[in-house]
Amino acid sequence: QVHLVESGGGVVQPGRSLRLSCAASEFTFSIFSMHWVRQAPGKGLEWVTFISSDGNKKYYAGSVRGRFTISRDNSKNTLFLQMNGLRPEDTAVYYCAREGLAATGHFDSWGQGTLVTVSS
Amino acid sequence: SYELTQPPSVSVSPGQTASITCSADQLGDKYACWYQQRPGQSPVLVIYQDTERPSGIPERFSGSNSGNTATLTISGTQAMDEADYYCQTWDSSSSVVFGGGTKLTVL
Repeated sequence: QVHLVESGGGVVQPGRSLRLSCAASEFTFSIFSMHWVRQAPGKGLEWVTFISSDGNKKYYAGSVRGRFTISRDNSKNTLFLQMNGLRPEDTAVYYCAREGLAATGHFDSWGQGTLVTVSS
Repeated sequence: SYELTQPPSVSVSPGQTASITCSADQLGDKYACWYQQRPGQSPVLVIYQDTERPSGIPERFSGSNSGNTATLTISGTQAMDEADYYCQTWDSSSSVVFGGGTKLTVL
């Protein structure tokens, strides 16, 4: 059974940085594209960023481009999200999600999420 | 930017059929998928590639996508189906797009 476990969330002041991790297990991490999706309190889902299986392709939502960086370490089965210049509007639960292999752009597995709160 | 429009809420009586729509320009030319999110839980994929059901998802969940509208249909709706539902696709600029979500109430 696919297992995705996010960590690294917490309370941070505006303008500061935070690094999220997503530990993957029970599947061959290196062949799957991965994403980060966030959900502000009481709001809907918002896609944040994508990384291809080999790490060579990366896409970002306009709201985070230039501030957030996605990366992965396939040798350690881990996905990362480096978040710089955090803003109050970045407050959300951050989920890592696995993209299905069918190349139809869906997310077939999600982690439990980690809460990031940006507040002074 | 590409936007997916969902009704904020849909109500259905137990045992009846619920339909949740997701609309956007030429959505039928793309693949659409659907997620269920119960309160306090992570999203779960219920339909992908317009009409496909992942293993473990009950047969009462089905999907369609044509023209400008994708539809999630839940036949014989049960109380456990009460949740938020989100549609999702990719736009032409390699960005993932989610609908605003629909709260399904079973009453």
